[in-house]
Formats: sequence, structure tokens, C-alpha cells
Amino acid sequence: ETGVTQTPRHLVMGMTNKKSLKCEQHLGHNAMYWYKQSAKKPLELMFVYNFKEQTENNSVPSRFSPECPNSSHLFLHLHTLQPEDSALYLCASSQAMGADEPQHFGDGTRLSIL
Amino acid sequence: GEDVEQSLFLSVREGDSSVINCTYTDSSSTYLYWYKQEPGAGLQLLTYIFSNMDMKQDQRLTVLLNKKDKHLSLRIADTQTGDSAIYFCAEGMDSSYKLIFGSGTRLLVRP
Repeated sequence: ETGVTQTPRHLVMGMTNKKSLKCEQHLGHNAMYWYKQSAKKPLELMFVYNFKEQTENNSVPSRFSPECPNSSHLFLHLHTLQPEDSALYLCASSQAMGADEPQHFGDGTRLSIL
Repeated sequence: GEDVEQSLFLSVREGDSSVINCTYTDSSSTYLYWYKQEPGAGLQLLTYIFSNMDMKQDQRLTVLLNKKDKHLSLRIADTQTGDSAIYFCAEGMDSSYKLIFGSGTRLLVRP
């Protein structure tokens, strides 16, 4: 799946660092999503953007800050993270918001908090 | 409530058929998806089925939906070693854009 590209693929950071995850989709979609995938837990939806407007914040701590400058790009700014934030962060996009719109995923950023 | 359940592990021999099962609790589910996740990668959309269908076939993949029992299955014919991965089912409802994912079934294909 090359339609959704995430960088970096791997990130190791200390709890006091500030870093950003980047997602870019080349599918012409209008909705973008951030998910967290932790070991032995179902996929957790974090944020949803539709036409650059945030439509969902699924009770995510403020140390995670999303940004969507346009429909093709999505960022997740990280600061003062905790060890339990170590996980695979997946970005997805869909043509529109709706259960009938398949979501297409990137390969994720593997985040490790020291 | 919303809940999607899958068995954790399935092991099959190369060339055999694999059947991965999924149950969901919300009868208003209208769209059901299967995703594949290989090591170090994201989720790859394999196929999906609408609730007004009982079956969908796409090459080696067959999806069966039993709405009465809220049971979904993915059959992979002639399973290959490259099919070894984690398979996720997900349900979606007309009333929401959210997908509810199961915890995934790890498929191991033995040579």
C-alpha cells in the first residue's frame, strides 16, 4: 500500500522530547485518521479529520496534538510522552467519512518512549 | 454494545484452506471489513461485504456473512506462506463513521 505514506517508520524518544509524526496520502481522499495500535489491544481511534476539520478527539491526552494543514497531510505532534505511549501509530484515509467508505492505512510509525 | 471478537491463532499447512472467524454483537452493523497486517506493516484492506449480502468471492478469498448469528468468516483457498499475517475484521454502521476492530487472528502457514 503506497497510497498512504508515514514517516518516520521508527522513532525512539525520551519523555521530555518533542517530535512529530507525518502522514501523507496520495489517494485524493478527504478524511484522515490517527489510530494507536498497542500489543494485545484492539485498534484505538484517536483523531479524525474531514476536509481539514477535526471531527473526533477520542479522549486523547493533550500530549498528543494533531494538525491537518490540508486534505493530503496529517501530523501528530508529540510532547512529554509516557512509557505507555509506546505503540504503533497508524494513519488512514478514506474518500469520505462513513462506514461504507473503506479506510486505507499506512505502514505506521513504531514509537518507543525511553 | 459494540464488540468484535476473533480467535487469537490459527495454524494451517501450505495448500490447505484457512477459515478465520469473527463475531460481532451489534445487529445494526451494515459493513464488515477484513484487513491483513504483515510484520512491520500497516493494515491492508483485503475485502469487505455489505450486510445485504451473504457471500462475496474475490480470487482466493471468500467472505461469508451470517446475519442471524452475527458471524463473519474469511476463507483463504490454497493458503500460501505469504498469507501468514494477522487478520482483522471490523464492523461499521450507517449511524457512525467509526470502525470497530477485533483483536486480530494470527495465521501461521506451515510448509
